[in-house]
Amino acid sequence: GQQLNQSPQSMFIQEGEDVSMNCTSSSIFNTWLWYKQEPGEGPVLLIALYKAGELTSNGRLTAQFGITRKDSFLNISASIPSDVGIYFCAGLRDSGYALNFGKGTSLLVTP
Amino acid sequence: GAGVSQTPSNKVTEKGKYVELRCDPISGHTALYWYRQSLGQGPEFLIYFQGTGAADDSGLPNDRFFAVRPEGSVSTLKIQRTERGDSAVYLCASSFLPSGRAPYNEQFFGPGTRLTVL
Repeated sequence: GQQLNQSPQSMFIQEGEDVSMNCTSSSIFNTWLWYKQEPGEGPVLLIALYKAGELTSNGRLTAQFGITRKDSFLNISASIPSDVGIYFCAGLRDSGYALNFGKGTSLLVTP
Repeated sequence: GAGVSQTPSNKVTEKGKYVELRCDPISGHTALYWYRQSLGQGPEFLIYFQGTGAADDSGLPNDRFFAVRPEGSVSTLKIQRTERGDSAVYLCASSFLPSGRAPYNEQFFGPGTRLTVL
């Protein structure tokens, strides 16, 4: 399956800073998802996006579904140490069920 | 509440051996998915079950890989004649309904089985 292009590959920031990461694809998806994975665990859903241009927030997290339906970004405001983990974008096509994941953005937050 | 569970959590085997990886989905979830996650990569789709039948096995890399879900609940991923390249974390996920239509029927992931082939 296709893997989406995610950037940056890793980020090392101080507590309190804002973070932005994005994901692009060569093809269209009808649903964009953002997952977080911590060591030894499976990915956990953070945000789901359904419409081009949609902007959705979940606490300190904000994500947008790109107008072309080929990209999405995730912002984390006022980062805290428990934000540490790997963040994956994933695309889903209509009537599809196989999630197409990016390679992930590894986030490290220092106190 | 009980989430998706996978056993064993770690499996070390020798090249050429046969292995079975087990997934217990969330009770009542009809759809079950297997993914493989190599080091530094995102999960890659292997196979999807709706009930007892494999609705899509297009992600299985070759015929050494096979999966079953005989009673529509527990699933077993079977790998024959393991190769070093099979080393990865094998993730299982389940959802109440198939994920295909909005709103997204969330796929809940288990912690995975880390397979190491020596």
